[in-house]
Amino acid sequence: AQSVTQPDIHITVSEGASLELRCNYSYGATPYLFWYVQSPGQGLQLLLKYFSGDTLVQGIKGFEAEFKRSQSSFNLRKPSVHWSDAAEYFCAVGVLGGYNKLIFGAGTRLAVHP
Amino acid sequence: GAVVSQHPSWVICKSGTSVKIECRSLDFQATTMFWYRQFPKQSLMLMATSNEGSKATYEQGVEKDKFLINHASLTLSTLTVTSAHPEDSSFYICSARDRAGWNTDTQYFGPGTRLTVL
Repeated sequence: AQSVTQPDIHITVSEGASLELRCNYSYGATPYLFWYVQSPGQGLQLLLKYFSGDTLVQGIKGFEAEFKRSQSSFNLRKPSVHWSDAAEYFCAVGVLGGYNKLIFGAGTRLAVHP
Repeated sequence: GAVVSQHPSWVICKSGTSVKIECRSLDFQATTMFWYRQFPKQSLMLMATSNEGSKATYEQGVEKDKFLINHASLTLSTLTVTSAHPEDSSFYICSARDRAGWNTDTQYFGPGTRLTVL
């Protein structure tokens, strides 16, 4: 069955520090992978997505993610975190067939210290 | 562009009553809309998928008669929680997509509706 695991429930970093959020997936075929961010009072916003091609994907707000098939991972990174990055981050895998639905991980809550 | 709204943003109701939540795509036509449920500090769980003009497809374990979904137009889908009970209290989120393929489409999410059943 398809699934997404985000091992870190909560992460705290200092402003200006680098960030890596982990995501592992289980999917029988070539995965379509997504990272979303959820801020209080706002809808989920797509940060980036991987469909095929270059395994290093650039997204909005300075985020990037690298797809590693051998590790079944799609980790999200940012070289320098800003206080405004504090939010909940969700990794998702797209399941083809039917209406192409998304399966979400449990999320990682990011706190940023000044 | 690609804005999805939900109404109401929060609602409190008495046990046994029904509550309707609207999801609208404001600047695009959504052939497919999705309804999710999110428990506190947990992930989004897909409840159902609705296509304009056809019956919704429910995920396993979701009661069709309890969570009625109507996708009457290309810009509006509604979720009605019938005979709501306290265990139905949750954060309900919709998303909308305007294409069937992955390469050019994505799901745009609404801000969510907080339902509290007393």
